[in-house]
Amino acid sequence: ELKVEQNPLFLSMQEGKNYTIYCNYSTTSDRLYWYRQDPGKSLESLFVLLSNGAVKQEGRLMASLDTKARLSTLHITAAVHDLSATYFCAVGISYNNNDMRFGAGTRLTVKP
Amino acid sequence: DADVTQTPRNRITKTGKRIMLECSQTKGHDRMYWYRQDPGLGLRLIYYSFDVKDINKGEISDGYSVSRQAQAKFSLSLESAIPNQTALYFCATSDPAVAGVKQETQYFGPGTRLLVL
Repeated sequence: ELKVEQNPLFLSMQEGKNYTIYCNYSTTSDRLYWYRQDPGKSLESLFVLLSNGAVKQEGRLMASLDTKARLSTLHITAAVHDLSATYFCAVGISYNNNDMRFGAGTRLTVKP
Repeated sequence: DADVTQTPRNRITKTGKRIMLECSQTKGHDRMYWYRQDPGLGLRLIYYSFDVKDINKGEISDGYSVSRQAQAKFSLSLESAIPNQTALYFCATSDPAVAGVKQETQYFGPGTRLLVL
């Protein structure tokens, strides 16, 4: 059974600092998603990573995928308050049913 | 207007009651999903439907049932609600034709917060 672990679960950081969120998964998959959820809101898709070595960047966020290590990272550069949210990774199980398993989420708080 | 809508947005019910959560979408997607979100557990898939005639159980389907009334509508029912079904429920849609099956992304509704007393 596919298990997805994110760490840290809670992250408090100051504006301007860099940090990385990690997403480990237990079985083979070549499809990984990152989502953002603001408090009381729905999930918003950030990145889709499809192959080993894939790297995608949007603003201060950069996501990467290492399928051999079964690891994805979400790197935050020079954090700003607007990045405060909960970030989820989700790992695809099968193309047949688009089933995904979500990590527990990382609640990020960026302080001035 | 939102592409994926859910009703109600909040619901309080009592143990043993039957309730229905509804999801509608205007994205024209064939695929629809129901998830529940519990604190510290991320999202877990309850049911999914790839078209009106295709409905499948997800990771945690016990205690739930669904109905796909049309391409645009997918309802989730709790036949006899129990307190551990208290959670935030999300509907989502996707379409592999949008960006290819490999890049299929799910689009989420605003969620329904359910409290079972």
